[in-house]
Amino acid sequence: DIVMTQSPDSLAVSLGERATINCKSSQSVSDSSNNKNCIAWHQQKPGQPPKVLINWASTRVSGVPDRFSGSGSGTNFTLTISSLQAEDVAVYYCQQYYSAWTFGQGTKVEIK
Amino acid sequence: EVQLVESGGGLVQPGGSLRLTCAASGFTFNSYWMNWVRQAPGKGLEWVANIKQDGSQKNYVDSVRGRFTISRDNAKNSLYLQMNSLRVEDTAVYYCADVLLGWGQGTLVTVSS
Repeated sequence: DIVMTQSPDSLAVSLGERATINCKSSQSVSDSSNNKNCIAWHQQKPGQPPKVLINWASTRVSGVPDRFSGSGSGTNFTLTISSLQAEDVAVYYCQQYYSAWTFGQGTKVEIK
Repeated sequence: EVQLVESGGGLVQPGGSLRLTCAASGFTFNSYWMNWVRQAPGKGLEWVANIKQDGSQKNYVDSVRGRFTISRDNAKNSLYLQMNSLRVEDTAVYYCADVLLGWGQGTLVTVSS
């Protein structure tokens, strides 16, 4: 099974500042058929279902603000919120879909 | 507009059974693998099972294999999860989901005596 490890478990960022969440997979999640990494990022606000922000490691889902970006390759991936807004307070999960699905443990983002 | 609507959750005693349904609309259902994901109270996300477009391949997390069965009816645009021999630790909100389509609102399953 592919293990996904996120860091940090939580972070507090000032409004307008950058937030960075890291995610490491235990093995490559690169799909050889399209040369893309099978990584998604999800946002979950309290009392709500998760929401897909990014798939294929760096493709922003329609309607997601452009302050959210995904990057990375191999086994190391990053979600960046370029300018944190109050509505971005949430738990963020990385997920691989290369072999079944597995999720990271989640990163809680708060306002400093 | 893509919609995934789960139903069938409720309170059940340990050892009991439930069948969850995910009604899909707004996309070509038979073109997508579909997944069930659960979230225990106050915990993270755990993938449960998935099924190929034509139902010919199914995968399960170890903790539910042999107890849960995923299936689909493409004519009805519906995904199912038959849950047998339920345990207290199966208590969770169950979602149907796909990384390209999004998530449903979820249905709560509570296993308790």
